[in-house]
Formats: sequence, C-alpha cells, structure tokens
Amino acid sequence: GAVVSQHPSWVICKSGTSVKIECRSLDFQATTMFWYRQFPKQSLMLMATSNEGSKATYEQGVEKDKFLINHASLTLSTLTVTSAHPEDSSFYICSAVGERHQPQHFGDGTRLSIL
Amino acid sequence: DQQVKQNSPSLSVQEGRISILNCDYTNSMFDYFLWYKKYPAEGPTFLISISSIKDKNEDGRFTVFLNKSAKHLSLHIVPSQPGDSAVYFCAARGGTASKLTFGTGTRLQVTL
Repeated sequence: GAVVSQHPSWVICKSGTSVKIECRSLDFQATTMFWYRQFPKQSLMLMATSNEGSKATYEQGVEKDKFLINHASLTLSTLTVTSAHPEDSSFYICSAVGERHQPQHFGDGTRLSIL
Repeated sequence: DQQVKQNSPSLSVQEGRISILNCDYTNSMFDYFLWYKKYPAEGPTFLISISSIKDKNEDGRFTVFLNKSAKHLSLHIVPSQPGDSAVYFCAARGGTASKLTFGTGTRLQVTL
C-alpha cells in the first residue's frame, strides 16, 4: 500500500520550455502533497505544500510564479516549471500523505535537465 | 539554520554487524520522527517512525530510539545486509504542520 507514482522520471528539454511533472497517489487519498528538490549530495529541500482544492504554500525563497503547483484532486498534484533554465536542472520529488499521523510516501522523482 | 542534523556523512559496516545511524534536532516542537532510505535517482522509502511519546520503536531488523532530553534519535539495523547500502535520512515534524524537516543524510555502506 501507500504507492506514489511520479511521471515523467526523466526530462531533457531546451531552455525556455515549460515542464509539467505529475504526482499521483495510487492507493490512497492524499490530503496533502509536497514537492521537494534535491541537489547532488544534498538533502531534500521542501519547495511547497499543497492541499487539495486550495493554493499551495511555498517555502521561503521559492518562486511561486516559476514553480506552479496544482492539486486538483485527492490523488493528483502537478508541478509545472515555467520557462525553465539550466539552473532549474535538478531532481524533483513529490510526496503524499493521507492522514496527518501517517508518514509521507514519496514518488521516485523526476530528473530535470535543461540544456 | 539546520534543525535536523546527521553529523556522519558516511558509515561503513560489515555484513552481519549492527549499523547505528544518528540524528540530532534542535526544535523542541518536533513530535514525530521518521527514517527514510534512499537509493540514487529514486525517491526516499519510508522505514520506521517514532512518536515523541515513545522512546523506542522496533520493526524487524530496524529499531529507532528517541532521547528527547538530548534531542537525539538513532536508527539501529541488525544484522546489516549488503542491500541496506543506501543513504539514510532522518526527518522530523511537529505541531500542526505536516511538512517534514530532513537531515542531510548518512551514506551507509555494508561490506561483505
């Protein structure tokens, strides 16, 4: 149980392109989903928290107009990196949680490479 | 301000022996702690958690100990297996917030 699917797993695209990453909870309803970014050999950095049907809460220093988050249903959240540039290249990971007193379960991440 | 710290970036343990991974935190509001295992290019996998009302939780080969007065937790893996080789992250959350604060990770290498 508690499977989170993230798609795509790898994206390579040109600078200026917008990229959408999907995160789905397959066997549970996710009241809250999270988006993280991980740089090589570093910890996971929380970018934003999203609750179904409401606006995402962004962490300090994360540009909300750059990283658009939509959480339209209890099983799907999307992260769109708008007008991506090489400095946006990173490993993006989503997680989902059902009830608060449950652990977060993570997707397998998306490797984004902007040329 | 690193609220969750894993001071050992790496650890090497022989197969069959005990692996002990440590984690310290500074925020006294944290009341729930988790350990995740992560392979390269994959998302973290949940291993075990502990609530602040407990000082020990055990699940198979994995045991987590919590010392609230010292703001310290540890993960014990016994016996260690080569498949346990990965990066281990401790994480914490507290109050009404559901978001996690992660440590910097410890790379465990289990050797034959």
